[in-house]
Amino acid sequence: KQEVTQIPAALSVPEGENLVLNCSFTDSAIYNLQWFRQDPGKGLTSLLLIQSSQREQTSGRLNASLDKSSGRSTLYIAASQPGDSATYLCALESLQGSRLTFGEGTQLTVNP
Amino acid sequence: DARVTQTPRHKVTEMGQEVTMRCQPILGHNTVFWYRQTMMQGLELLAYFRNRAPLDDSGMPKDRFSAEMPDATLATLKIQPSEPRDSAVYFCASGLRGFYGYTFGSGTRLTVV
Repeated sequence: KQEVTQIPAALSVPEGENLVLNCSFTDSAIYNLQWFRQDPGKGLTSLLLIQSSQREQTSGRLNASLDKSSGRSTLYIAASQPGDSATYLCALESLQGSRLTFGEGTQLTVNP
Repeated sequence: DARVTQTPRHKVTEMGQEVTMRCQPILGHNTVFWYRQTMMQGLELLAYFRNRAPLDDSGMPKDRFSAEMPDATLATLKIQPSEPRDSAVYFCASGLRGFYGYTFGSGTRLTVV
């Protein structure tokens, strides 16, 4: 059974700082890994998708990496802004059964 | 942009009543997930379908919850009878297995009083 862990659970940083969110998983038999953002009281918005054969994906100030051998993914946010404040979740789609398993999320606060 | 549409957005009901939540997946997507989110439990997988066939509903309380896909454009989640502990936000997501990731709907916020 896939287990996904996100560290830290919460993070508070000053505006402008570069930061890294971590996601670790126990089963490397995956199709892909997806990072989502969730604002309070809202749904999940997809940020980046990394296919199993890829090592990283970039979108604007966001860069996500995937290392299946170590069971880890990181989401790098450059030059953080108050608008980046949200909960960030990683999710893995398993090869067997295509179950989509989520981590508990990292709650990010960027202070002006 | 294509969207996953969930209805209703909000539902308040009395304990014991039947609740039906609906989801319209994105056209062409073959996989549909139902999740429940609470502050205490985070995101819980309730059930999911591929090509309208249920693959796994082990996350649902079987005695009161049921999930179906009567056709490719509609997925339903029913609770009968509802209980206060069912109060949560219920999300539907759709996608193509292994490709492009999954898109989530805006959720149905259920309150059972």
